[in-house]
Amino acid sequence: ETGVTQTPRHLVMGMTNKKSLKCEQHLGHNAMYWYKQSAKKPLELMFVYNFKEQTENNSVPSRFSPECPNSSHLFLHLHTLQPEDSALYLCASSQEGDRANQPQHFGDGTRLSIL
Amino acid sequence: DAKTTQPPSMDCAEGRAANLPCNHSTISGNEYVYWYRQIHSQGPQYIIHGLKNNETNEMASLIITEDRKSSTLILPHATLRDTAVYYCIVRAQISSGSARQLTFGSGTQLTVLP
Repeated sequence: ETGVTQTPRHLVMGMTNKKSLKCEQHLGHNAMYWYKQSAKKPLELMFVYNFKEQTENNSVPSRFSPECPNSSHLFLHLHTLQPEDSALYLCASSQEGDRANQPQHFGDGTRLSIL
Repeated sequence: DAKTTQPPSMDCAEGRAANLPCNHSTISGNEYVYWYRQIHSQGPQYIIHGLKNNETNEMASLIITEDRKSSTLILPHATLRDTAVYYCIVRAQISSGSARQLTFGSGTQLTVLP
């Protein structure tokens, strides 16, 4: 149990569907992240939220839309995805501030398959 | 952030110590060394991190050379459940309040053999 919970664990959707991934952290952290891990490729950062403000968007296509309503919850809204978007989507959180060396803690991810 | 180099794979006998090396020869003075592992179909799990002193916790020990150009993660008594990909990551400590990514490389696939 890492303190970061992602739902659903698995998701299969068609290219025209709209779905959302959810992440909740129970660690009292103030920063949250979305990463993408494609088969046999390193993790790629997608979005960063620090104190509920989006501070980084790594050239992610607009078919991925993040939302951070509070410091404990993070969503990734999906629409009109492509087959190459099939991957493991990982959420992480960390405590940023005076002690900026604190580690990120990850959830177990959502395995997304696009038909 | 400095680049890291790790062997692609290693084997270790169950019950023995697993020593995983990492080279980070271009590391800067304000960069920390982090270790994570990823068991198949799970998210990366934080193990340990350090700046220049050796560190130990309930999972592992981290040995950083005096010149900080390399480090070794030690799992003192490896079990079959320690089979995973282990990532060594270097990241700078920066001004407060700024969240930044962790850059994962290819890591080392550790296989613990019965």
